[in-house]
Amino acid sequence: DSGVTQTPKHLITATGQRVTLRCSPRSGDLSVYWYQQSLDQGLQFLIQYYNGEERAKGNILERFSAQQFPDLHSELNLSSLELGDSALYFCASSVRPSGGSGELFFGEGSRLTVL
Amino acid sequence: AQKITQTQPGMFVQEKEAVTLDCTYDTSDPSYGLFWYKQPSSGEMIFLIYQGSYDQQNATEGRYSLNFQKARKSANLVISASQLGDSAMYFCAMTTDSWGKFQFGAGTQVVVTP
Repeated sequence: DSGVTQTPKHLITATGQRVTLRCSPRSGDLSVYWYQQSLDQGLQFLIQYYNGEERAKGNILERFSAQQFPDLHSELNLSSLELGDSALYFCASSVRPSGGSGELFFGEGSRLTVL
Repeated sequence: AQKITQTQPGMFVQEKEAVTLDCTYDTSDPSYGLFWYKQPSSGEMIFLIYQGSYDQQNATEGRYSLNFQKARKSANLVISASQLGDSAMYFCAMTTDSWGKFQFGAGTQVVVTP
């Protein structure tokens, strides 16, 4: 158990809908990262928050948004869903704001299926 | 730009043999970290080993060792005495102090055969 909690574990929805994925980082970790893993794209970095502030942004679509709340949990909102958004979405946390020896601790992922 | 490359899409290895997974990286930042993660078929991402750019010695964690060749910008993972439970996808990742985000390679699928 990494200590990172993601909900829901599985989600099936229809095109055009909106979903929210939730992540609770490990106790004491201030950084939260979101990744998308699809079969043809590998692990794609979406966005990082540190202590409530956006710190780094990757290839995150405009239809997607995220935030980190004062209690450090984070939510990833996916809207106007398309078939291609079907993927495993990982949240990971780290104690540090950036690199160095701070490994990422991953949640078990939220598997999104868009029909 | 930061880049990380795993050129081996997949490989078979016999039980009890050693296997080396290749990883090369590119960064102009002098301070960076290199990581290996394992993803079994169940989907979770498991941290295996870490190497810092200023570390003088190669990292080791049990049966895992990292062959760090800084001048060649490579950070290969060596798994000794492979076990059937080592069958998984393996990802190399990099982050830098100035950059923050972790960049992952495309992964290498390892299948351990009896």
